[in-house]
Amino acid sequence: DGGITQSPKYLFRKEGQNVTLSCEQNLNHDAMYWYRQDPGQGLRLIYYSQIVNDFQKGDIAEGYSVSREKKESFPLTVTSAQKNPTAFYLCASSTAAGQRTYEQYFGPGTRLTVT
Amino acid sequence: GNSVTQMEGPVTLSEEAFLTINCTYTATGYPSLFWYVQYPGEGLQLLLKATKADDKGSNKGFEATYRKETTSFHLEKGSVQVSDSAVYFCALRWSNTGKLIFGQGTTLQVKP
Repeated sequence: DGGITQSPKYLFRKEGQNVTLSCEQNLNHDAMYWYRQDPGQGLRLIYYSQIVNDFQKGDIAEGYSVSREKKESFPLTVTSAQKNPTAFYLCASSTAAGQRTYEQYFGPGTRLTVT
Repeated sequence: GNSVTQMEGPVTLSEEAFLTINCTYTATGYPSLFWYVQYPGEGLQLLLKATKADDKGSNKGFEATYRKETTSFHLEKGSVQVSDSAVYFCALRWSNTGKLIFGQGTTLQVKP
């Protein structure tokens, strides 16, 4: 079955450590996205990538980094510079941006807790 | 700037009640509009969408009509079920980058 996988589902880290969240898709989608969700809030865009080897900052990129070396993979690193890293992180993908009828498909999410 | 505003929750209904979740937006141009649903502990699933004014999106008994004159995209369902309990997000896509802008989400609780 095609879809988006995120691993792990729950992740615990100590403050000051970098941590990398995995996102893999087998939908052959060109574009991929990372969102952060906090309780009672909508999703906020961290980074997005429209094509391999290219990515852009979203609204809250500070303290995060990404890479897009392969079409199917878009890992997110939460660095120690991120002041409030505890959150639910969602990865999404879509067909090429610019197609008016395209839609984003979401993975199951990773809940990161930093103490 | 572009934004989406949803009615605050939680919305608590009895089974078979009529549901309306209000969503209004501010955007330049002609955005596409979406409703996503999130069940506890899961990612988001696309519920329905509309890409131009007066379009009606529908799925699983839910409907929403793209109203450009009132900049609204209210979600409705005639008879809710306990299994509809979830968080509902309204979102718009306004540029060719594919970026989505989300409302804050509305929690729906349906009681038997």
